[in-house]
Amino acid sequence: NAGVTQTPKFRVLKTGQSMTLLCAQDMNHEYMYWYRQDPGMGLRLIHYSVGEGTTAKGEVPDGYNVSRLKKQNFLLGLESAAPSQTSVYFCASSPGSGNTIYFGEGSWLTVV
Amino acid sequence: GQSLEQPSEVTAVEGAIVQINCTYQTSGFYGLSWYQQHDGGAPTFLSYNALDGLEETGRFSSFLSRSDSYGYLLLQELQMKDSASYFCAVNPGGFKTIFGAGTRLFVKA
Repeated sequence: NAGVTQTPKFRVLKTGQSMTLLCAQDMNHEYMYWYRQDPGMGLRLIHYSVGEGTTAKGEVPDGYNVSRLKKQNFLLGLESAAPSQTSVYFCASSPGSGNTIYFGEGSWLTVV
Repeated sequence: GQSLEQPSEVTAVEGAIVQINCTYQTSGFYGLSWYQQHDGGAPTFLSYNALDGLEETGRFSSFLSRSDSYGYLLLQELQMKDSASYFCAVNPGGFKTIFGAGTRLFVKA
């Protein structure tokens, strides 16, 4: 059972570079999310999607873009990376609002 | 604004019982969840309360009082492997789930 799979697991970027984090889920979930986790701040929602072709902003969307072209995939893009975006990024999915959220293993991103 | 408050750290000894509290202030409320996260790992779901009262799942129980905007996670017969961070999370309605900052539990031998 793959569940939620994220790639890459680790990445170091230089300030100003761009990159895309890939997320795939094989549970046929409608909802997908991108969170970032920083020490002492818990999980903060960046963007989310309630279905294929839809995206919406979460708590901390600035500096990120997302796309959900296929139901099983949710991509997170950083157009011009900044040191403040150094964080652990978690992709997640759920079958519906209020249901259990299933997380990927995380992607460790460092911007220097 | 919307906020969840939980203690930053709790320490307990192996075999003991520990309670992790969570108070919330949100625009709406559809349920309180608890997640466990070991260092370097992903958060994993533990329990969910939509109605007042106690939910029990093995050694873990979760309680909710909607009138007090308060809930707690109770861990019994603590084991070393329970050392982890525990997050409470609220579904305020809509499509978002809001997480607390997490409580780091240290279990000592």
